[in-house]
Amino acid sequence: KAGVTQTPRYLIKTRGQQVTLSCSPISGHRSVSWYQQTPGQGLQFLFEYFSETQRNKGNFPGRFSGRQFSNSRSEMNVSTLELGDSALYLCASSIPSGGQGETQYFGPGTRLLVL
Amino acid sequence: GENVEQHPSTLSVQEGDSAVIKCTYSDSASNYFPWYKQELGKRPQLIIDIRSNVGEKKDQRIAVTLNKTAKHFSLHITETQPEDSAVYFCAGGSNYKLTFGKGTLLTVNP
Repeated sequence: KAGVTQTPRYLIKTRGQQVTLSCSPISGHRSVSWYQQTPGQGLQFLFEYFSETQRNKGNFPGRFSGRQFSNSRSEMNVSTLELGDSALYLCASSIPSGGQGETQYFGPGTRLLVL
Repeated sequence: GENVEQHPSTLSVQEGDSAVIKCTYSDSASNYFPWYKQELGKRPQLIIDIRSNVGEKKDQRIAVTLNKTAKHFSLHITETQPEDSAVYFCAGGSNYKLTFGKGTLLTVNP
């Protein structure tokens, strides 16, 4: 099976702009989670989607939003970019396991640089 | 919410020695504890995981132990090799959310 894919892989934006990142999960996986990875804060949970519904979210401002489509592909959007949004954005897909913890498989990430 | 603490932040061992990384968690509802290995410039890769109804799990040179009462879990790597050098992350999860530790940079010296 093909792994999790993310596009684009690299992105340079300026402050105030907005950006949309895309994630295609492993075939058959219906849950997609998004994380922000920075050297100082490590991996921080943004949100998780299943069947087009957000089931949980982390402690990020409302500028960070996401959605999931009927084919399980997911997008995240960051509006009004700030310098501190520069990070590696990772998505991970999993097969839901009925409330037990779910094994997550990560994509290669999108590296965002905000100037 | 869940808080996962990971120690040490850096660990240097000689090839062939064992390495141990420890994590603590705060939320007693967490029921899933994976460990990921991330090499420089690459995606995190799952190396082993354990669920709250199990106390120990082994996979060749890697083992994980979980103490639910004390809310801590540990990764043990035996007979370390230079290719084990990477950043290792622990995580605790439930309710469709994983909380990660800050990572441990493991260096295995030949």
